Amino acid sequence: DVKVTQSSRYLVKRTGEKVFLECVQDMDHENMFWYRQDPGLGLRLIYFSYDVKMKEKGDIPEGYSVSREKKERFSLILESASTNQTSMYLCASSTNMAWDYGYTFGSGTRLTVV
Amino acid sequence: QKEVEQNSGPLSVPEGAIASLNCTYSDRGSQSFFWYRQYSGKSPELIMFIYSNGDKEDGRFTAQLNKASQYVSLLIRDSQPSDSATYLCAGFNYGGSQGNLIFGKGTKLSVKP
Repeated sequence: DVKVTQSSRYLVKRTGEKVFLECVQDMDHENMFWYRQDPGLGLRLIYFSYDVKMKEKGDIPEGYSVSREKKERFSLILESASTNQTSMYLCASSTNMAWDYGYTFGSGTRLTVV
Repeated sequence: QKEVEQNSGPLSVPEGAIASLNCTYSDRGSQSFFWYRQYSGKSPELIMFIYSNGDKEDGRFTAQLNKASQYVSLLIRDSQPSDSATYLCAGFNYGGSQGNLIFGKGTKLSVKP
């Protein structure tokens, strides 16, 4: 089974801190995604990547950046954390045949910014 | 804007009943659809996918797709309290270089013992 691992399950950070959320997948998937999920708003796509060193903005990229230096690792960076970035963050990965196999999600990181 | 719409619920059914979860989509070009189950505080887990018109059955779950009506549904037979979760519908959108999944906001299902 594909495993998508997010480094932290729960994280508490202070306003203004730089925050790194790490995601690693072990099945050689080409595509990786970062979502945030908030009650009533569903999953919102922040950034995604179809290849190493490649990134594309999703629907809500403001206040975030990403890094994909290796195929298996996709990092989400909050440059200066704010309280409105308190959320559940979900990483996902897929093959280039996502129409057949869908996405596999990591276990999520619940981030609280105080 | 390509969208996938779901009734947010909550949908409440008694144990043993059939739960019917529905989803509509706006992009006629979408070809495949996925149902994810998400328990409270957990991440989404893929439970079914369908790309042909008609029904697809897997155990107690049946996914139904009607492309003419742009409608997808998930039926859960003999519902159990352990089925209580939020169910996300997603359609594959072929736009862009690789395409991506468009998710609905989810329907919360509660199965009462």
